[in-house]
Amino acid sequence: DAKTTQPPSMDCAEGRAANLPCNHSTISGNEYVYWYRQIHSQGPQYIIHGLKNNETNEMASLIITEDRKSSTLILPHATLRDTAVYYCIVRVGSGGGSQGNLIFGKGTKLSVKP
Amino acid sequence: SAVISQKPSRDICQRGTSLTIQCQVDSQVTMMFWYRQQPGQSLTLIATANQGSEATYESGFVIDKFPISRPNLTFSTLTVSNMSPEDSSIYLCSVSRDLGETQYFGPGTRLLVL
Repeated sequence: DAKTTQPPSMDCAEGRAANLPCNHSTISGNEYVYWYRQIHSQGPQYIIHGLKNNETNEMASLIITEDRKSSTLILPHATLRDTAVYYCIVRVGSGGGSQGNLIFGKGTKLSVKP
Repeated sequence: SAVISQKPSRDICQRGTSLTIQCQVDSQVTMMFWYRQQPGQSLTLIATANQGSEATYESGFVIDKFPISRPNLTFSTLTVSNMSPEDSSIYLCSVSRDLGETQYFGPGTRLLVL
């Protein structure tokens, strides 16, 4: 089973920030938080990942709480093309020869509306 | 990130037949994976394709049904054998440059079995 909990759906107005929450209360110290999205009928697209510090790239920002039990993916200016299912996944990252599998839950279906 | 292509992009097959799906990456990668996404469902890992040795299958998936080849560091194939309508799914190839690093996904192969 997935180790994360996400709301099944969210709406966001075009041009506004989309804030997608994720709970991962059982996360281990060596597990990273990964975000992917899947636009209809396409393969999942990697967005961002982090361990404990907040991260930002050209697509999004990832805010991880200090206790690491939850996180928020922020799309700063959502467009219609951001409509997709967003998956929050925790997995062991590199180091120690480990390869944590990506276990996909049901994700959050984000609908960006004009 | 790696550029990943899959062939065919989609196919319609008759029950009892087999289909081989190809995954090609534009650079050498250590890890290659095969996932299945059944209609309306999330992704499930089928197996890890190992170069030079037998693939590592997840629980519920067997080599006789899903034989996998990995002849080099840029190519893998997944065969769906003796197909039934329950095999109708999207099959996705995923790669990571090394153990524990970020996984990237191909565009998927949409299979419909009649």
